[in-house]
Amino acid sequence: QVRLQQSGPGLVKPSQTLSLTCSISGDSVSSNSAAWNWIRQSPSRGLEWLGRTYYRSKWYNEYALSMKTRITINPDTSKNQFSLQLNSVTPDDTAVYYCASHYFKYWGQGALVTVSS
Amino acid sequence: QAVVTQEPSLTVSPGGTVTLTCGSSTGAVTSGHYPYWFQQKPGQAPRTLIYDTNNKHSWTPARFSGSLLGGKAALTLSGAQPEDEAEYYCFLYYSGVRVFGGGTKLTVL
Repeated sequence: QVRLQQSGPGLVKPSQTLSLTCSISGDSVSSNSAAWNWIRQSPSRGLEWLGRTYYRSKWYNEYALSMKTRITINPDTSKNQFSLQLNSVTPDDTAVYYCASHYFKYWGQGALVTVSS
Repeated sequence: QAVVTQEPSLTVSPGGTVTLTCGSSTGAVTSGHYPYWFQQKPGQAPRTLIYDTNNKHSWTPARFSGSLLGGKAALTLSGAQPEDEAEYYCFLYYSGVRVFGGGTKLTVL
């Protein structure tokens, strides 16, 4: 059974960087058959896929076009986790953020991140 | 970025059958879009019902099925139950990028 546990601050100031981590148990972030996603949801924007990271002999990242200039998703093999960094946030980035596994079979618990001064 | 379209709302009678559809602004939806269907109930994370057009997870009730229909992805619910009342989201793949639809609020009444 795969379990995803999210962590990170719930409040970020405008123009700063939003950082979240998703810790994996029951699977490996560097599995050749896995992929690790970030998604967010807000009343104004609905569900939004942000991007993913995966390993196929080397690391790959794929990002939503709207996020490409300010998003980074990184694996951390030493801790078996992956992270989301979103730069230059605005109040429009306020949302519930989720991490999810390949096939979106397993999800983190979700974390409300509010962007406010 | 492509836009994925869904019916905003649908109503089905208990025991009835309903089909939710998922269209793409780029043209016909094909198996190459690897359509997903998610169910979300209030206060919960989305849950995958269908992936890659018509594949089910172990928890997907047999009354749900996925297909391609008339250039769209489709989710058919046969024998609706009160617990199927939820928001349903479609999700498509476009050459490395993935896009959610706006969701269909399904009422069982």
